[in-house]
Amino acid sequence: GQNIDQPTEMTATEGAIVQINCTYQTSGFNGLFWYQQHAGEAPTFLSYNVLDGLEEKGRFSSFLSRSKGYSYLLLKELQMKDSASYLCAVRTGKGGSYIPTFGRGTSLIVHP
Amino acid sequence: ETGVTQSPTHLIKTRGQQVTLRCSSQSGHNTVSWYQQALGQGPQFIFQYYREEENGRGNFPPRFSGLQFPNYSSELNVNALELDDSALYLCASSVGQGAAEQFFGPGTRLTVL
Repeated sequence: GQNIDQPTEMTATEGAIVQINCTYQTSGFNGLFWYQQHAGEAPTFLSYNVLDGLEEKGRFSSFLSRSKGYSYLLLKELQMKDSASYLCAVRTGKGGSYIPTFGRGTSLIVHP
Repeated sequence: ETGVTQSPTHLIKTRGQQVTLRCSSQSGHNTVSWYQQALGQGPQFIFQYYREEENGRGNFPPRFSGLQFPNYSSELNVNALELDDSALYLCASSVGQGAAEQFFGPGTRLTVL
């Protein structure tokens, strides 16, 4: 099976930068995703990495190292609304049949 | 453009009963995935339907089954409900089974007593 590890909880200050790490052990890797989930709401897509390197999208960036089984999500200029759970998910499979596995999520608390 | 919708919002069942949950995919999306999310956990993949065929399944027993209809809406059926089936059931739609981005519905909260 797949094994995905991410910290349970992190706190940060409004305006700061925070990095949320995700490590995984898997076979048949076919991409890594980050989702944001506010309490009581559905997850929303943030980023997708399939090749090594950094993907930047506004205040959010995601990095992947396939050889190390490692990814991070970087959030800049933190805002109070960024308080949420951040889910790391790894997809495995090929040929149109894919299996995504989610981590337990990192609860980020942004305080003034 | 209408997003992903799910019904019902909440549901209470007793152990041993059967339940059917429904999902309407976002306009133009032909792929639907179902997830189970227990409190404090990440979503667990149940299965995916692409053009009315199941094309990926997670580690769930056969009493979890599904359908996808020609309009790409979908149903999740769970037979012989167990207490541990109590969870939030999420449906997500996308364009193609390999799409990077999935759009999640608001979920159905199932409580099994």
